[in-house]
Amino acid sequence: DGGITQSPKYLFRKEGQNVTLSCEQNLNHDAMYWYRQDPGQGLRLIYYSQIVNDFQKGDIAEGYSVSREKKESFPLTVTSAQKNPTAFYLCASSTTSVNTGELFFGEGSRLTVL
Amino acid sequence: AQSVSQHNHHVILSEAASLELGCNYSYGGTVNLFWYVQYPGQHLQLLLKYFSGDPLVKGIKGFEAEFIKSKFSFNLRKPSVQWSDTAEYFCAVNNAGNNRKLIWGLGTSLAVNP
Repeated sequence: DGGITQSPKYLFRKEGQNVTLSCEQNLNHDAMYWYRQDPGQGLRLIYYSQIVNDFQKGDIAEGYSVSREKKESFPLTVTSAQKNPTAFYLCASSTTSVNTGELFFGEGSRLTVL
Repeated sequence: AQSVSQHNHHVILSEAASLELGCNYSYGGTVNLFWYVQYPGQHLQLLLKYFSGDPLVKGIKGFEAEFIKSKFSFNLRKPSVQWSDTAEYFCAVNNAGNNRKLIWGLGTSLAVNP
């Protein structure tokens, strides 16, 4: 089945530690995205990538980093510089055709920093 | 800057009641419009979308939405809700043909009592 796989589903870390969240897609989509979802705040874009080896900052990129070495993979690192990292993180992908915007989402990763 | 406003943050209905969730956006150009749904414990998924043509669009599970350009609105409707419609609903907009980055509303939490 085609889709997006995020891992781990749940992650606990101590303050000051970097954490990497995995996102893999087999939909052959060019574009991939990372969002953060907090209660009452909707979805906020962290980073996005429209092609391999290229990515752009979203609205809340500070304290996060990404890489896009392969089309299928777009890992997100939550660094110790992120002041409030406890959140639900969603990865998504889409085609890059004009006049589209349909995103396909993974099931999310819930990060709790203790 | 573009923005999306969802008027109802929390809605509680009884089964068989009619539903209308408001969504307004601020952008003067041509837009694509979306409603996404997140059922409890499931990934976010597309409910329906409008790109062009008939402003009344039908989506999955009996949902529909009407694009009223003069009101910058894209309200979601369902004539008779079911308990299984309990979910979080997000309205999203992007700039058609130019910027594929989605602008999201804050979401509306719908609870349907059996």
